[in-house]
Amino acid sequence: QVQLVQSGAAVKRPGASVRVSCKASGYTFSNYGITWVRQAPGQGLEWMGWISSAHNTKTNYAQKFQGRVTMTTDTSTDTAYMDLTSLSSDDTAVYYCGRDVAIIDFWGQGTLVTVSS
Amino acid sequence: EIVLTQSPGTLSLSPGEGATLSCRASQSVSSTYLAWYQQKLGQAPRLLIYGASNRATGIPDRFSGSGSETDFTLTISRLEPEDFAVYYCQQYGSSPYTFGQGTKLEIE
Repeated sequence: QVQLVQSGAAVKRPGASVRVSCKASGYTFSNYGITWVRQAPGQGLEWMGWISSAHNTKTNYAQKFQGRVTMTTDTSTDTAYMDLTSLSSDDTAVYYCGRDVAIIDFWGQGTLVTVSS
Repeated sequence: EIVLTQSPGTLSLSPGEGATLSCRASQSVSSTYLAWYQQKLGQAPRLLIYGASNRATGIPDRFSGSGSETDFTLTISRLEPEDFAVYYCQQYGSSPYTFGQGTKLEIE
């Protein structure tokens, strides 16, 4: 069965960077893209961007995150990564990865990133 | 950027009743690239509807989607206790692929 398992919760200081991983199983990783979505506490869903698992350089980032986010994939381990730099308290959120077939048909369990001094 | 506005913000109903949730787009959504997701507290979202009206695998037929261009609707007939959750629409026709702010469906 399709599964996306994300890395554990992280606490970061303002100005730091965070890396969230998303390990896929149960399907051919390179056949689907990966989308990243975040959700601040008590808030709605926010689309961050997308990466092609087959072509690591093919990405589409939301303008809001341009310059701060980098999405990559490793087809040798079927893992996607999302790096976010220059963290502030506004980046405190649960970060989700999802298998992308235009829509997100399977989701990871989410990773809570807390930014606090 | 396409802005999606969902209404109502909160809908209070009883099990067995029907629910109608609205999603209005600021611009036409190309090729009906509109999806609906359900999210329960502490869980990841779950895909319900894609292409405005197609149920995802395993979704009960009491869930149905309709609409086109700028006006879309999610209808849940005969609410079950497990249907009380937050529902989001998302357009995936024009980047960035924005979400609505959500409609909370609560038990009256």
